[in-house]
Amino acid sequence: DADVTQTPRNRITKTGKRIMLECSQTKGHDRMYWYRQDPGLGLRLIYYSFDVKDINKGEISDGYSVSRQAQAKFSLSLESAIPNQTALYFCATSDFRTGDQETQYFGPGTRLLVL
Amino acid sequence: AQTVTQSQPEMSVQEAETVTLSCTYDTSENNYYLFWYKQPPSRQMILVIRQEAYKQQNATENRFSVNFQKAAKSFSLKISDSQLGDTAMYFCAFITQGGSEKLVFGKGTKLTVNP
Repeated sequence: DADVTQTPRNRITKTGKRIMLECSQTKGHDRMYWYRQDPGLGLRLIYYSFDVKDINKGEISDGYSVSRQAQAKFSLSLESAIPNQTALYFCATSDFRTGDQETQYFGPGTRLLVL
Repeated sequence: AQTVTQSQPEMSVQEAETVTLSCTYDTSENNYYLFWYKQPPSRQMILVIRQEAYKQQNATENRFSVNFQKAAKSFSLKISDSQLGDTAMYFCAFITQGGSEKLVFGKGTKLTVNP
């Protein structure tokens, strides 16, 4: 089984709809991240969480919110989706407790299309 | 602010040959980590190799090795004995030690391995 899973893998939605992307991990890592990938722009950080009670905005957090329901679960919500949020979304994890917090491991990605 | 630049948008190589992908970065930090990630058509982000800035020895992982030039702020990836499965986007990434800052990505290099 994959260490970092994302659901759904693909999603089509309409402008104005609220949607949630979910991330779960079995790696036991304490840190989790959400990134967005657009063609030609690489990956950009949306939100990150260092533990259940610690949530931080990344460089492009506007229009997004997150919830860290448990150490292993980190959800990303689009409150009112708009077409320019069409992108590939990645969840990632890293582990501070082992001293390897710099290395991030990625999930398989969710491709989102907003019509 | 840290930046990562990959100056080669696309490259191609013949199977079994060697190819080098370039990456430069800009930072005022002295302690940091550098990574190469591979993104095949399946879109998964796969960690290829990592280099700690405090280590002078270049990292190697099987057919993958890096040439880390700290003074020049250069971090190139060499792929030896290229295989068809190496066809992918390759992203160079940077993070400061401690991981409290975001993982900064370059825009990627599309590598095609030709039979």
